[in-house]
Amino acid sequence: NAGVTQTPKFQVLKTGQSMTLQCAQDMNHEYMSWYRQDPGMGLRLIHYSVGAGITDQGEVPNGYNVSRSTTEDFPLRLLSAAPSQTSVYFCASTPGQGTGVTEAFFGQGTRLTVV
Amino acid sequence: GIQVEQSPPDLILQEGANSTLRCNFSDSVNNLQWFHQNPWGQLINLFYIPSGTKQNGRLSATTVATERYSLLYISSSQTTDSGVYFCAATKGGSQGNLIFGKGTKLSVKP
Repeated sequence: NAGVTQTPKFQVLKTGQSMTLQCAQDMNHEYMSWYRQDPGMGLRLIHYSVGAGITDQGEVPNGYNVSRSTTEDFPLRLLSAAPSQTSVYFCASTPGQGTGVTEAFFGQGTRLTVV
Repeated sequence: GIQVEQSPPDLILQEGANSTLRCNFSDSVNNLQWFHQNPWGQLINLFYIPSGTKQNGRLSATTVATERYSLLYISSSQTTDSGVYFCAATKGGSQGNLIFGKGTKLSVKP
C-alpha cells in the first residue's frame, strides 16, 4: 500500500494560472479531505468528501473546487491562482463511517507558491 | 465548532530531558490524533487516541475524554524529536473533519 499520494510535491504558479493538485489513496477509504497550512499555523480544512460523487465545503473553500468521481481520487483545483493561495496543501483519507475508525492518514504535502 | 488549544507554543529542551505537551478541546470528540511535523514538512502520525493511554517507544499519550484534554509525553528527548507537534480532534458525531491546534514547536539541543 502506498497510502495517500500527492502530486506534485512542489509547484510555482503565476497569478491567474490554473492547476490541479492530485491526491490518490489505495486504502479504499470513503472519506477524503484537503487542508492548507500557512506559516505558524495548524491545518485548516478546505473541502472534503464522504464518498464518490459527494463533496462539501470546509472552513476555507473560496478559490478552490473539488470533485470525487472515484473512491481513490480527490483532486483539488485552483481556477485562478492568487498569492493568498501560497501555502502547503495536505490531502488526507479516513476509513469511513461504517468502520467506526476515524483515524486520518495524510499525504506528504504539496508546497505551492503563487507569484 | 470544536476548538483545540495546545500548550506550550514553544519548548526548548536539552537532549535527554523529558517533556509533556498538552491539548485541550472544547467538546466531546470521537477522534484525537497527535502528529509530528518534521523540519521537512512531513506530517507523521504519532497516536490515534480518542481515549485511554498508548505508548510507542519513548513517546506515550493519554486522553481523558471526560475532562477534554490529551497529553503527549516525550522521554529522553533526542535532536530528531525537534519539529512541531500538532493535536487534532474530530467532534463527536462528525465523520472526519479534523480541527487542528496551532502546535507546539519543540527544539531539542545537543
